[in-house]
Amino acid sequence: DTAVSQTPKYLVTQMGNDKSIKCEQNLGHDTMYWYKQDSKKFLKIMFSYNNKELIINETVPNRFSPKSPDKAHLNLHINSLELGDSAVYFCASSQEWSSEGTDTQYFGPGTRLTVL
Amino acid sequence: GQNIDQPTEMTATEGAIVQINCTYQTSGFNGLFWYQQHAGEAPTFLSYNVLDGLEEKGRFSSFLSRSKGYSYLLLKELQMKDSASYLCAVMDSNYQLIWGAGTKLIIKP
Repeated sequence: DTAVSQTPKYLVTQMGNDKSIKCEQNLGHDTMYWYKQDSKKFLKIMFSYNNKELIINETVPNRFSPKSPDKAHLNLHINSLELGDSAVYFCASSQEWSSEGTDTQYFGPGTRLTVL
Repeated sequence: GQNIDQPTEMTATEGAIVQINCTYQTSGFNGLFWYQQHAGEAPTFLSYNVLDGLEEKGRFSSFLSRSKGYSYLLLKELQMKDSASYLCAVMDSNYQLIWGAGTKLIIKP
């Protein structure tokens, strides 16, 4: 079973639309994340969230919002999509402590978003 | 500000050894991670160092010097499947991961 899954894998949409990307983890982790990886392959944190706290990267436009129905899910909603939103979006999760180290993150397969 | 530096690209020969360096300047330190990312795929965990020294895991080893703000990832007996980007990431005092831009490693036969 996939540990961290995302849907859809590919998303092509028109500028101005609203879209969502879903993320689910079955690792029992407490914290989930959303990253944006641009064309230069630089991973940029957007949000980190656990049942206690949502940490938002202040550079992320408020058109982006995370929604967590429960501990295993963190969905990403994007309103009024813009051309510059085209990128690969990765979901990840971590546990506060594991044998591999503090907050080792496990990534989903990514969602390639193309805004036309 | 916080900064992670690693070379943009490196080339090595199959069967050889390559060392990918990472230097960092962060507000606090709670460990350094190396991740591997193949083109079009998600990053996958390789190693974690929080104490100075060398951690060995099969063909891959990772070294850390906290006083120098420096780490390297050593890949031995290179295989074609090792062609990927290698991402260095440091956990700061707020337990936030600061990511480097990654080093693209090209393996030639």
